[in-house]
Amino acid sequence: GENVEQHPSTLSVQEGDSAVIKCTYSDSASNYFPWYKQELGKRPQLIIDIRSNVGEKKDQRIAVTLNKTAKHFSLHITETQPEDSAVYFCAAGNTNAGKSTFGDGTTLTVKP
Amino acid sequence: DVKVTQSSRYLVKRTGEKVFLECVQDMDHENMFWYRQDPGLGLRLIYFSYDVKMKEKGDIPEGYSVSREKKERFSLILESASTNQTSMYLCASQIGGQETQYFGPGTRLLVL
Repeated sequence: GENVEQHPSTLSVQEGDSAVIKCTYSDSASNYFPWYKQELGKRPQLIIDIRSNVGEKKDQRIAVTLNKTAKHFSLHITETQPEDSAVYFCAAGNTNAGKSTFGDGTTLTVKP
Repeated sequence: DVKVTQSSRYLVKRTGEKVFLECVQDMDHENMFWYRQDPGLGLRLIYFSYDVKMKEKGDIPEGYSVSREKKERFSLILESASTNQTSMYLCASQIGGQETQYFGPGTRLLVL
């Protein structure tokens, strides 16, 4: 089955700095790569996703890049703010399998 | 707006008890999922269902079963609760294989 590795497990940055979280996956059939944000005590919510026919996608301060050859994808957050502090999960999904495999999560702390 | 609800936010049970966790979604989604979330281990898939009365094992199905008698409702059953099943349980629903998963608020289960 699919195996997703996520790094780092914790990340601390100063407000205004950039943050990068990286994930690798093992199954070349995976074709959908969402990122979820989980604030303390709340449910995970999708913040951005990318499909395998696209190399990069951007939404305001967040962007995701995908390298299918190397089987890795990354989340980039620019101009970080304290409200970006949360746990971020990457996932790799396959339309045929109908499910996604999640990484272990990255706890991002943005210090004011 | 998609709404996914779970029957309990907190639950305390004794070892050996049969435990039912219920999840209801109101968006006519085909796919529904049960995850458990433990610190440092991310979101691990227990079972998922892509149609009424259909179910598929996830990565950690041992000790659990599920039921989906109606499209909007997906139940997780712990046949005989054990202390190692103390965890946060998250339900999610999804319209299709490459779409957002919408999570419920979670049930924090403590097995004594």
